[in-house]
Amino acid sequence: GESVGLHLPTLSVQEGDNSIINCAYSNSASDYFIWYKQESGKGPQFIIDIRSNMDKRQGQRVTVLLNKTVKHLSLQIAATQPGDSAVYFCAENIGGNTPLVFGKGTRLSVIA
Amino acid sequence: NAGVTQTPKFQVLKTGQSMTLQCAQDMNHEYMSWYRQDPGMGLRLIHYSVGAGITDQGEVPNGYNVSRSTTEDFPLRLLSAAPSQTSVYFCASRRSGYNSPLHFGNGTRLTVT
Repeated sequence: GESVGLHLPTLSVQEGDNSIINCAYSNSASDYFIWYKQESGKGPQFIIDIRSNMDKRQGQRVTVLLNKTVKHLSLQIAATQPGDSAVYFCAENIGGNTPLVFGKGTRLSVIA
Repeated sequence: NAGVTQTPKFQVLKTGQSMTLQCAQDMNHEYMSWYRQDPGMGLRLIHYSVGAGITDQGEVPNGYNVSRSTTEDFPLRLLSAAPSQTSVYFCASRRSGYNSPLHFGNGTRLTVT
């Protein structure tokens, strides 16, 4: 099986509950943030993004919150489902053509 | 659109062998990049390109070469494979010039013995 994700922080939630995954970003100049989901054996998949001129953005069952004061990003997943089990990464960018910087990831485990 | 396509999916090399990991995208993205992913290390940038003819080094470039002769293709070359290069390699692309998300391929799992 996929060995990526060993030693990652793990969040276990009951099916149907809400999940909150947190990320502390490093660069106060970052102005664009992204959440990715990575399932076993696959590449990271884009979930939602947010620009620094916003503090909240909602998608389908997901919400991203940005607190620039404390350089904190969170991903909320409503009514968590077994298919949400994956490793979640946050990424930050200071804009333009500069490379994204990724966090280490959090494993979400959904208990049926 | 196929998105980002990586080949091969799996590869086993002996120490000292060379190979090229292929990456192609059909989204007309100017920006392309290569990452490696190891347990507990997250995604680490190897090389990236902001357009045809332009490449730059990332966080862990040693042992890898790249070139970008077309917008669509961004191959990663290992000239003399080492066991430390055992990893999962991801290619990703995005629009250039303003904030946009990276689109990833499904990876190449490389084992060097």
